Amino acid sequence: ILNVEQSPQSLHVQEGDSTNFTCSFPSSNFYALHWYRWETAKSPEALFVMTLNGDEKKKGRISATLNTKEGYSYLYIKGSQPEDSATYLCAFPDSGYSTLTFGKGTMLLVSP
Amino acid sequence: DADVTQTPRNRITKTGKRIMLECSQTKGHDRMYWYRQDPGLGLRLIYYSFDVKDINKGEISDGYSVSRQAQAKFSLSLESAIPNQTALYFCATAVQGMKTQYFGPGTRLLVL
Repeated sequence: ILNVEQSPQSLHVQEGDSTNFTCSFPSSNFYALHWYRWETAKSPEALFVMTLNGDEKKKGRISATLNTKEGYSYLYIKGSQPEDSATYLCAFPDSGYSTLTFGKGTMLLVSP
Repeated sequence: DADVTQTPRNRITKTGKRIMLECSQTKGHDRMYWYRQDPGLGLRLIYYSFDVKDINKGEISDGYSVSRQAQAKFSLSLESAIPNQTALYFCATAVQGMKTQYFGPGTRLLVL
């Protein structure tokens, strides 16, 4: 079982704050790192798939960076809005790229 | 119409009963997955299938069985439900190479 860890477990910020959280994963045999966003009462939806060391992806106010050598990825949200409230999951594929192991997620609450 | 559908969306059953959760997809993906989500534990893989004749156990397959009736349909069965199988169950699909998994809306199961 792959060890994929996310921190913090939960985060509560005010509207307009910028925030970031971390996903750590095995640094050996890296294939890709996935980020998903999961809103309450909805399905998890893919945000980013990151494959190259130093990769930076951006989608609106959300961006992510990747460091495969040290085994971590950061997700940043600039100027958080209440609609950003969700659980953010990262996932790491197995060696055959057959399955994903998900972290436990970071639950973000943005208050107006 | 949703690309990945799950039925039922909510189910209450009693200990010892056999139940089946169904997943259908119109995305044409060959890979299908069943996960369960428990508070504080994240998404954990139960079973996955790469085609009708290819079924694989995931991290937590004990107490569950699956059937891939067609490329588009993947069912999860609890032969004799027990209370600790109370959880939110997600079906997901992916293409070979698995850049992204696409999730259904989830089935919330309560075993009394």
